[in-house]
Amino acid sequence: DSGVTQTPKHLITATGQRVTLRCSPRSGDLSVYWYQQSLDQGLQFLIQYYNGEERAKGNILERFSAQQFPDLHSELNLSSLELGDSALYFCASSVGGGRDYTEQFFGPGTRLTVL
Amino acid sequence: KNQVEQSPQSLIILEGKNCTLQCNYTVSPFSNLRWYKQDTGRGPVSLTIMTFSENTKSNGRYTATLDADTKQSSLHITASQLSDSASYICVVTPSGGYNKLIFGAGTRLAVHP
Repeated sequence: DSGVTQTPKHLITATGQRVTLRCSPRSGDLSVYWYQQSLDQGLQFLIQYYNGEERAKGNILERFSAQQFPDLHSELNLSSLELGDSALYFCASSVGGGRDYTEQFFGPGTRLTVL
Repeated sequence: KNQVEQSPQSLIILEGKNCTLQCNYTVSPFSNLRWYKQDTGRGPVSLTIMTFSENTKSNGRYTATLDADTKQSSLHITASQLSDSASYICVVTPSGGYNKLIFGAGTRLAVHP
């Protein structure tokens, strides 16, 4: 158990809908990262937040957005969902902000299925 | 374009045997290289992290090597166990990359009794 929690574990929805994925980082970690893993593909970095502020952006679609709250939990919002958005979404957390040699700890993931 | 490529794509070995997984990368300059183990449907778990100046790092039966000149890394698994069945992912962090990890597609290892 990494100490990172994600909810829900599974989510099934229809095209065009909007969903919110939630992540609670390990105690003491200030950074939260979001990743997407499509079927049989490598993980793709989406976005990072550090202590409430956006720190880095990766291959995140404009239909997707995220935020980190004062209690450091984070939410990833996916809107106007398409079939291709079906994937595993992982959250990871780390102590540092990323300029350093810092370990990332991954949550168990949320499996999103868009029908 | 920064890339991380792994080989083989999949591998089947018998329990107790050793194996070596390969990772070639074009990320340059880079800060560190990591190997993760990912069980099916679960989050990746870190095995090793090496900076660009390190050549080898061990974690139990897992030993990673790094040749920054040839931009190659390998993960050697000794005396494999059934629980080693998983995907093994090579991950590179570009310098100044705010921890923007670049993931390889992974090698899927199956250990058979």
